[in-house]
Amino acid sequence: EPEVTQTPSHQVTQMGQEVILRCVPISNHLYFYWYRQILGQKVEFLVSFYNNEISEKSEIFDDQFSVERPDGSNFTLKIRSTKLEDSAMYFCASKASRNQETQYFGPGTRLLVL
Amino acid sequence: SQKIEQNSEALNIQEGKTATLTCNYTNYSPAYLQWYRQDPGRGPVFLLLIRENEKEKRKERLKVTFDTTLKQSLFHITASQPADSATYLCALWASGANNLFFGTGTRLTVIP
Repeated sequence: EPEVTQTPSHQVTQMGQEVILRCVPISNHLYFYWYRQILGQKVEFLVSFYNNEISEKSEIFDDQFSVERPDGSNFTLKIRSTKLEDSAMYFCASKASRNQETQYFGPGTRLLVL
Repeated sequence: SQKIEQNSEALNIQEGKTATLTCNYTNYSPAYLQWYRQDPGRGPVFLLLIRENEKEKRKERLKVTFDTTLKQSLFHITASQPADSATYLCALWASGANNLFFGTGTRLTVIP
């Protein structure tokens, strides 16, 4: 069964460094999302992406964050200058179409900012 | 303010019993509501979806109800098994929005 994959599974970085989290959505899906989950807290929406554009973003998704679909398969989340409070699990999700309600989540990248 | 609350942080039940988890929301107009399972260190896995005009949905041992008057969804697992132990998340897709809003989750433990 097709699934969303994410790399790396774990990332440790120093405060102020840039990180890029990578996702490969399910191949025929058109809508892509990033969510984060701080340890012990709820899953929070960051950004949605469709047709090579951001569709919607939350207040969390400030100028330090950016997303890109550099080729036909990858979907990346970049954090330009990481802060301690960026430490969290980051989940990528995709769905097939506008009318398809189910989002399929990847296994996540655990980011630790020191 | 908008809130999605799940009744308890943790729920312990005996194997074979029915687990009932509650999701309440305020100040949302959901188009639909979903339930996910999340195991430690893993991403959410979709279980069931129920639309605003539906009262109940079933899938094998799972049942979801949706009451838009009470602004509440109930999630039932019948004949629970230790393998059902996980955190269960409710998430709603608000009308006019473009993303899911998640509840805080309930950690279910099924005791053999």
